[in-house]
Amino acid sequence: QVQLVQSGAEVKKPGASVKVSCEASGYTFISYDISWVRQATGQGLEWMGWMNSNSGNTGYAQKFQGRVTMTRNTSISTAYMELYSLTSDDTAVYYCARAQKGGYYGMDVWGQGTTVTVSS
Amino acid sequence: EIVLTQSPGTLSLSPGERATLSCRASQSVTGGSLAWYQHKPGQAPRLLIYGASSRATGIPDRFSGSGSGTDFTLTISRLEPEDFAVYYCQQYTYNFGGGTKVEIK
Repeated sequence: QVQLVQSGAEVKKPGASVKVSCEASGYTFISYDISWVRQATGQGLEWMGWMNSNSGNTGYAQKFQGRVTMTRNTSISTAYMELYSLTSDDTAVYYCARAQKGGYYGMDVWGQGTTVTVSS
Repeated sequence: EIVLTQSPGTLSLSPGERATLSCRASQSVTGGSLAWYQHKPGQAPRLLIYGASSRATGIPDRFSGSGSGTDFTLTISRLEPEDFAVYYCQQYTYNFGGGTKVEIK
């Protein structure tokens, strides 16, 4: 079946970076974009950015520009999101989701979420 | 940058009642690419509606979306117990609206 499986929970210290992976299966990886969305405790969903899984082209939300990198390894159908210079405000559940190019059809398959905790 | 504003923030209703959720955009949404998502605690969000009015695969027909330009609506015709959740609108590559929590009255 079509699914996205994310890496496990992370605990990081302030100032560190975190890299979350998202492995796709059940569909042609390069045919869909991968977006990243996060939710801090008690907050709403926050869109971080997207990546064209074929070309590797990316687009980041202004809030995260300069602090996030989205990449992929097409040989293993895996996308990555790396966030730098972590603060306690980055403590959240991070999700990857796939979307057809252009996004008209929405983000239809989601990973299970990865909890990232930033604490000294 | 398009900003989406959802209202109300919270909707208190009983099972069987109709829910009407609003999403207003700061500028016209291009190509009708407005989606609605349902989110429950401890779960990944679920796509309900894409293209403003098309139901995603497997979504019951009690969920419907409408609207164009800057004003969009998600309607749940008769609330089932499993529908109590937080609902978000989003235009792809822009941020989500602030969400509407549908809670049991």
